[in-house]
Amino acid sequence: DVKVTQSSRYLVKRTGEKVFLECVQDMDHENMFWYRQDPGLGLRLIYFSYDVKMKEKGDIPEGYSVSREKKERFSLILESASTNQTSMYLCASSLGPNSNQPQHFGDGTRLSIL
Amino acid sequence: QQQVKQSPQSLIVQKGGISIINCAYENTAFDYFPWYQQFPGKGPALLIAIRPDVSEKKEGRFTISFNKSAKQFSLHIMDSQPGDSATYFCAASTSGYSTLTFGKGTMLLVSP
Repeated sequence: DVKVTQSSRYLVKRTGEKVFLECVQDMDHENMFWYRQDPGLGLRLIYFSYDVKMKEKGDIPEGYSVSREKKERFSLILESASTNQTSMYLCASSLGPNSNQPQHFGDGTRLSIL
Repeated sequence: QQQVKQSPQSLIVQKGGISIINCAYENTAFDYFPWYQQFPGKGPALLIAIRPDVSEKKEGRFTISFNKSAKQFSLHIMDSQPGDSATYFCAASTSGYSTLTFGKGTMLLVSP
């Protein structure tokens, strides 16, 4: 079974802090994704990566950056956290470039910015 | 611009009943339509998926119906059970692209 592990289930940070969310997958997947999930808004793609050191903007990249130095690890960075970034963050991975591969999700990090 | 519209936002069904969730899309290039199921405290997981070359796909109690001309697809849960209570997301994508466009989700509650 594919396992996508997010380093924290809950995180509380202060406005202006630099925040790192970590995600690791154990199935040698090419693609990795970061989403945020908000009530009534569904899943919105922040960034994705299809290879090491490669990244592409999703639908809502503003205020975020990402890093993929190793194939199994994909980090989401909030450069200067703001209260409107309080949300559930979900990481996912999928096998290869074909979109018809299921995305496997972690259980999420609930981030609160005070 | 929302490219996949999902309805209803929430749904209450009695045990044993049929749950129906609908999605409509605009982009005619979409050619893969998965449904994801999310339980509280968990990430979404792939439930069932369909491609537009078939009009229906069934896996156990779960069926996707697809209407290409209307650009609509729906999830039917037969004999709904309390264990089916979850949030369901439809999604769509285009061949050659790894990203999915998700609907906003439907919170299903199956009452005992």
